[in-house]
Amino acid sequence: AQSVTQLDSHVSVSEGTPVLLRCNYSSSYSPSLFWYVQHPNKGLQLLLKYTSAATLVKGINGFEAEFKKSETSFHLTKPSAHMSDAAEYFCVVSVTGTASKLTFGTGTRLQVTL
Amino acid sequence: ETGVTQSPTHLIKTRGQQVTLRCSSQSGHNTVSWYQQALGQGPQFIFQYYREEENGRGNFPPRFSGLQFPNYSSELNVNALELDDSALYLCASSLTGTTDTQYFGPGTRLTVL
Repeated sequence: AQSVTQLDSHVSVSEGTPVLLRCNYSSSYSPSLFWYVQHPNKGLQLLLKYTSAATLVKGINGFEAEFKKSETSFHLTKPSAHMSDAAEYFCVVSVTGTASKLTFGTGTRLQVTL
Repeated sequence: ETGVTQSPTHLIKTRGQQVTLRCSSQSGHNTVSWYQQALGQGPQFIFQYYREEENGRGNFPPRFSGLQFPNYSSELNVNALELDDSALYLCASSLTGTTDTQYFGPGTRLTVL
């Protein structure tokens, strides 16, 4: 079975400062890992995904994440936060199989202040 | 390229009623997955359809059922609605059922009174 743990339910940063959203995963097999973002009353948008290629993954809107197998982590970072980054972020794991069921973390709410 | 669309946007039902939610997959995608997102939680996998056949199911009771049509659009049916069924229901489509990224629609907000 696979699971993800998002270590912070809420993160607050000032605009222009770095963002770090933490995620640890557990998987019996080689996982695929994703970060999705959800703005209020909107669906989920894919930020980036890792599928056993490069361990440093670049996504949209300046976000990136690093897969660290030794630490079972997949933290999401951005060098400089923007007000429009305020949203709910989900770390997601899946294992390739008969059905690519996505297993979501509980989410991290990112607040960006002036 | 048309994205994933869902209808209706919002729905209010009473306990015991039945509801049907609809999803049109992204152009060229043959796999549809459904998720339930309760308030303040991450989405939970309900089931997946690949080429009109159920291709995996999460921990949801049989009163949650689905269909996929030849054009790969899909329906989620919920019978005997319970208060706890109130949630945002998300549909996601992908090119295949196994490895490809899932792209989500905006969701249907179901309220059960």
